[in-house]
Amino acid sequence: GAGVSQSPRYKVTKRGQDVALRCDPISGHVSLYWYRQALGQGPEFLTYFNYEAQQDKSGLPNDRFSAERPEGSISTLTIQRTEQRDSAMYRCASSLGQGNEKLFFGSGTQLSVL
Amino acid sequence: AQSVTQLDSHVSVSEGTPVLLRCNYSSSYSPSLFWYVQHPNKGLQLLLKYTSAATLVKGINGFEAEFKKSETSFHLTKPSAHMSDAAEYFCVVSDIVRIQGAQKLVFGQGTRLTINP
Repeated sequence: GAGVSQSPRYKVTKRGQDVALRCDPISGHVSLYWYRQALGQGPEFLTYFNYEAQQDKSGLPNDRFSAERPEGSISTLTIQRTEQRDSAMYRCASSLGQGNEKLFFGSGTQLSVL
Repeated sequence: AQSVTQLDSHVSVSEGTPVLLRCNYSSSYSPSLFWYVQHPNKGLQLLLKYTSAATLVKGINGFEAEFKKSETSFHLTKPSAHMSDAAEYFCVVSDIVRIQGAQKLVFGQGTRLTINP
């Protein structure tokens, strides 16, 4: 596609359920990032992939959060046993990598945990 | 650690008047600095970036920003506001930590720009 695609656009779930958020980066983009944006705040870094390798996961808040990118393209961010505090906008971004600094962001997935 | 502070959470200007969105940064190194814009229900879009070349950086849609090391500032300006400029603006610094080309962006809290007709 022409841009970074994220699905679903909105996700409402009950506390304790698992959710999977999908990111389809721009074709050919090596680098993929996940960010989380709470209401009224700027996005915060969660994790980063270079091809299929998860190079940095220092921003993941706890072990309920995990991410994968098995074939170096589509990525899934999974949150297990969701809690109300997980409610936020989850944003994916991709870039050409190799030091290229322009990130292209998707429209995000708005997660609401009831 | 690097950080940015956006001094105004909300700025309101009249159409046709100048825009000033203020940002101060904290960095132990020569930083890479960015401004991103977020329109409702859309992804973040890069407005402009500074990477130690010219201190006055021109971006899209008539925006520009000036890097002032002595003041640790990177304020965003536009001579004449347009209704379509209404959005959330984020000042961003790139974390010095690089892992195989990665860049970790550190975002400010954002400034909501409102344009009055």
